[in-house]
Formats: sequence, structure tokens, C-alpha cells
Amino acid sequence: GAVVSQHPSWVICKSGTSVKIECRSLDFQATTMFWYRQFPKQSLMLMATSNEGSKATYEQGVEKDKFLINHASLTLSTLTVTSAHPEDSSFYICSATFQGYNEQFFGPGTRLTVL
Amino acid sequence: SQQGEEDPQALSIQEGENATMNCSYKTSINNLQWYRQNSGRGLVHLILIRSNEREKHSGRLRVTLDTSKKSSSLLITASRAADTASYFCATASLPSSARQLTFGSGTQLTVLP
Repeated sequence: GAVVSQHPSWVICKSGTSVKIECRSLDFQATTMFWYRQFPKQSLMLMATSNEGSKATYEQGVEKDKFLINHASLTLSTLTVTSAHPEDSSFYICSATFQGYNEQFFGPGTRLTVL
Repeated sequence: SQQGEEDPQALSIQEGENATMNCSYKTSINNLQWYRQNSGRGLVHLILIRSNEREKHSGRLRVTLDTSKKSSSLLITASRAADTASYFCATASLPSSARQLTFGSGTQLTVLP
């Protein structure tokens, strides 16, 4: 149980376009979802925390107008990278958890390449 | 921001040997977790140890926690080639209501057949 999916698994886009990444909890209701960014051979950096039905809480230095996060239901959160630039190229990973649980369940990640 | 450091950054061992990875952190924690990441994939939860615990076992994994030194270690016994992956420690700080995790820098483990 506790499976999280991400879609797409990889995406290539042109500079200036917007890209939406979906994160779904398949077999549980996720009260909280997290979005991370990971550069090659580096650790995960938390971008934002989103609770269902409320606005996401962004970490310091993360532009909320550039990385739009929507957590409209207990099983779906989306991250939209707006007006993407080459420096936004990265591996984006979501995770989800539920009330009273300490462990996070991770999606397989989305590789974004901006040309 | 990254809270912890892990060492070594990279570790290469022969199949059957034990692998030990260490993690240090900076603030008081509610719990510490270890995750594994295969190249280009998401993370898989391995084990959680609470701040009032000192040692925990799960199969071939043994985790220790020393809150006075703000450090933890992960021991993988009788390693297998399939254990090749990056291993990250992650801390849940106090207060833990947000349930956010702060990840360490990771150890890249290579197990040679």
C-alpha cells in the first residue's frame, strides 16, 4: 500500500512555456503533500508543503509565482512550473503522508529539461 | 535547507561485506528516518527511529541514534549488489506538527558483485 504516482515521468519543453506535474496518492488519502527538487548527485531540497484545501507553504527562496502548487483533493497535488527557463531543469519529486503518520511516501520523480 | 551531513559521500564494498553510513544533524528532532534512492527514481522509506530510541533493527538493517552527539548510523549487513543506491537520512524536527523532513547530503553505496 501507500503508493504515490507522478506524471509525467519526464518532460522536455521550450524556454518560456509552462509545465504541469501531477502527484497522486493511489491508495490512501494524503492530508499533506510535499514537493522537492533534486539536482544531480545532490540531496533533496524541500520546495513547498501543501495541505488539502489550503494554500501551499513555500520554503525560503522558492518563488511561489513561478512554482504554482495546487492541492485540490486528498489524492492529487499539482506543481506548475511557469515560464520555465533552463535553470529550472531538475528532478522534481513529490511525497505524501497522512494524518498521524511520520513516514513520507515518495513518487518516482519527474525529470524536467528546459531547452 | 539541508540540515545534515552524511559520510562517507561514497562507499564501495564487495558483496557480503557490511556497509556503515553516518549522519549528523543540527537541531533537536522528533525522529530520524533513512531512505534509499535508486538512480533516477523516487525514495523508499527504510526505517524510522524515534528520539527516545537508541537502536532499531529491520532485516539486514541496523540503525543507531545518539541524540547527545546528534548523529545516527545505518548499518547494512551482508550487502548485496542490489543494495547499490544512494542512502539519505532525514530528520523531523521539533515541533513535528508540520511533518516536514530535512534530508542529509546522502551516501552513494556501490556493492560490487
